[in-house]
Amino acid sequence: KQEVTQIPAALSVPEGENLVLNCSFTDSAIYNLQWFRQDPGKGLTSLLLIQSSQREQTSGRLNASLDKSSGRSTLYIAASQPGDSATYLCAASFSGSARQLTFGSGTQLTVLP
Amino acid sequence: NAGVTQTPKFQVLKTGQSMTLQCAQDMNHEYMSWYRQDPGMGLRLIHYSVGAGITDQGEVPNGYNVSRSTTEDFPLRLLSAAPSQTSVYFCASSWGGVETQYFGPGTRLLVL
Repeated sequence: KQEVTQIPAALSVPEGENLVLNCSFTDSAIYNLQWFRQDPGKGLTSLLLIQSSQREQTSGRLNASLDKSSGRSTLYIAASQPGDSATYLCAASFSGSARQLTFGSGTQLTVLP
Repeated sequence: NAGVTQTPKFQVLKTGQSMTLQCAQDMNHEYMSWYRQDPGMGLRLIHYSVGAGITDQGEVPNGYNVSRSTTEDFPLRLLSAAPSQTSVYFCASSWGGVETQYFGPGTRLLVL
């Protein structure tokens, strides 16, 4: 069974710190990987999507990388702000079922002022 | 554009009751899907559709029915609610299913 894992489940950092969120997946036949942000009581907002042919994607202070051989993706947040506090979820789709996303359970990030 | 909308926001049901969760999108997306999110877990795919008249099962389809008569709407039906269906339900859409997914605000369902 294809699985996506996010560790740690929760993370607190002081404002201004650069941080990395981790996502691992069990199947190297990945089609793409998406990072989402979820605020309490809200839906998910897509942050970045990396195709299997890509190594990384960047948007503002966010940079996501993909390493298929090691089964890992990371989301790098530069110069964190209290407004970055949210739960971050990664989701992968795999070859053969590219339209079906498999989600990790998320990392709850708190950026302390 | 309203994006993806879901109604109701919150619903309480008794065991055995039926209800329909509504989902609509105004982006002319062909692909729509339903997920459930339980505490401490990621989202799990219930059903999805790649276009009007076409639906398929996801990871956890039991107890749920769907149909897709129009591009815009993708309702999720619970025929006989069970406490195990207490969850937050999210609807999502995208052009073809492999691009950026757009999520609705969710429906919180409590089954007593």
